[in-house]
Amino acid sequence: AQTVTQSQPEMSVQEAETVTLSCTYDTSENNYYLFWYKQPPSRQMILVIRQEAYKQQNATENRFSVNFQKAAKSFSLKISDSQLGDTAMYFCAFNFGNEKLTFGTGTRLTIIP
Amino acid sequence: DVKVTQSSRYLVKRTGEKVFLECVQDMDHENMFWYRQDPGLGLRLIYFSYDVKMKEKGDIPEGYSVSREKKERFSLILESASTNQTSMYLCASGRSALPHSPLHFGNGTRLTVT
Repeated sequence: AQTVTQSQPEMSVQEAETVTLSCTYDTSENNYYLFWYKQPPSRQMILVIRQEAYKQQNATENRFSVNFQKAAKSFSLKISDSQLGDTAMYFCAFNFGNEKLTFGTGTRLTIIP
Repeated sequence: DVKVTQSSRYLVKRTGEKVFLECVQDMDHENMFWYRQDPGLGLRLIYFSYDVKMKEKGDIPEGYSVSREKKERFSLILESASTNQTSMYLCASGRSALPHSPLHFGNGTRLTVT
């Protein structure tokens, strides 16, 4: 079975600090795709960043970057210089090549002014 | 920009009612999905469709059915609503055979069954 685990239900950091959200998964597949989605209070789920498992280089999108450790099956999201607008639920998600996304349970991140 | 529109933002229904949740996308996506979101459980897949009139069960299909008569529209049906179906429902669409392509989500429908 393919599982996705987010072990931090809630986190909070001061504005401008750096925060790392953790995600681990279990699969026997060799090639798959990894995503971090953000769901702000407005509820619109939007893509933050994505990574392809066969690529060794970690993906980066402005203040957002991932630390992908394939052997450890770990896919964490780092947010640098956090801003108030980063307050949201964050979900890691995986496409194991079967047209579906499997989601973690989410981390509620609060940025404190 | 891709737009995925869910017909209702909030819905209150009574136990035993038949409930329809509608979702429309405007980007000619082949795949459409219905997820249920509950605190502490994340998003769980109810059903998905990869073509008109095609559907496949997700992880929690019990108590639900779906309809996809047109490519742009995907409906979730609760045949006889129960209180344990009180939840947030999210519709999403995406390109077929492109697993690296992200899903696009609607704003969600918060359903309360009393």
